[in-house]
Amino acid sequence: AQKITQTQPGMFVQEKEAVTLDCTYDTSDPSYGLFWYKQPSSGEMIFLIYQGSYDQQNATEGRYSLNFQKARKSANLVISASQLGDSAMYFCAMRGYTGRRALTFGSGTRLQVQP
Amino acid sequence: DAGVTQSPTHLIKTRGQQVTLRCSPKSGHDTVSWYQQALGQGPQFIFQYYEEEERQRGNFPDRFSGHQFPNYSSELNVNALLLGDSALYLCATSLQGATLGNGYTFGSGTRLTVV
Repeated sequence: AQKITQTQPGMFVQEKEAVTLDCTYDTSDPSYGLFWYKQPSSGEMIFLIYQGSYDQQNATEGRYSLNFQKARKSANLVISASQLGDSAMYFCAMRGYTGRRALTFGSGTRLQVQP
Repeated sequence: DAGVTQSPTHLIKTRGQQVTLRCSPKSGHDTVSWYQQALGQGPQFIFQYYEEEERQRGNFPDRFSGHQFPNYSSELNVNALLLGDSALYLCATSLQGATLGNGYTFGSGTRLTVV
């Protein structure tokens, strides 16, 4: 079984500052992938960043980086230089490389960027 | 390049009725997964279709059924609607065999309200 825990229901950040969104996970799969998605009010899930469990380096995509600590089973998303358009729900998700071919999502964090 | 298209965008149904939701995958994708997202929660996996067959299923009753057509598009059917079926229904498409990091492409969803 897989489980994703996001303990921050809501976060505020000032424009141009950095923010970290927490994600911890649990899985029995030896190999797995971790994802972060952004969901604006329109509803669409927008893929942000991916980290494989055997990747040696933390993933980065533009202003997004993933702070992956395998021993702690955490995969925190760091957004640098926050913009007003970053205000949205953010979901952490995972999937094993084998077995169940479905994403398991956390409950999400609502990020509000203030001017 | 068209992304994932879902229709309709909004729907209101009465308890006990039946509903059909539709999903056209991103160009080049052959696998369709359906998720239910209740208000304030993360998406929950319903089932996945590949080669016109249901490959995996989440913890949803038989009232939820689906179909995949030769052009890879898919339908989600829900019978005997309950108030608790009110949710955003998301379709996610992918290419079978692609690396996990290629991720899934989501549509904007169908917002179903059962009254």
